[in-house]
Amino acid sequence: QQQVKQSPQSLIVQKGGISIINCAYENTAFDYFPWYQQFPGKGPALLIAIRPDVSEKKEGRFTISFNKSAKQFSLHIMDSQPGDSATYFCAARNDYKLSFGAGTTVTVRA
Amino acid sequence: IAGITQAPTSQILAAGRRMTLRCTQDMRHNAMYWYRQDLGLGLRLIHYSNTAGTTGKGEVPDGYSVSRANTDDFPLTLASAVPSQTSVYFCASKGTSNTDTQYFGPGTRLTVL
Repeated sequence: QQQVKQSPQSLIVQKGGISIINCAYENTAFDYFPWYQQFPGKGPALLIAIRPDVSEKKEGRFTISFNKSAKQFSLHIMDSQPGDSATYFCAARNDYKLSFGAGTTVTVRA
Repeated sequence: IAGITQAPTSQILAAGRRMTLRCTQDMRHNAMYWYRQDLGLGLRLIHYSNTAGTTGKGEVPDGYSVSRANTDDFPLTLASAVPSQTSVYFCASKGTSNTDTQYFGPGTRLTVL
């Protein structure tokens, strides 16, 4: 049973559009919420992360929104580019171990 | 600096055979992890090691064993491979800071027939 539920499984967006990926969790012991980006044939790489005492974090075109009371967090990719086409995983940390969502494959059409 | 290296890149293995996947990091990270990645399931933790000499079980440890004789190496062994162990395996490591996150290797694609 996955501790972090991620949706959608895949999405297609036009270049310049906004991609939104949602994650939900139940375990209130989670203390750190990273997002990873993975390109085909490569290992996941950290994209952006947030701690639960912050409601939003922005790095360039990538923003995490965090709702502690709802136990939900989301990744927004603004001005999506073809180079953003990848699989994105949300994760949550407890006791320095990460639990991952199932992943979202994002395709950006030029 | 290479970061994390994994070997082999890919392997086809007959069921029942023993296989060791190798993982080496040169970042002097204390913690290391093994995950398997399956479509629709994301990454699931198999085993981990918080420091050399210690190991722990993750979410899906059955059929796998690990050892951590030194800081740099963290091999994963399948004692008797089964087809359900067909997967992509990723090794990861993490430093000691509370904000450090995990750095992943390039993965090993394993097929058990």
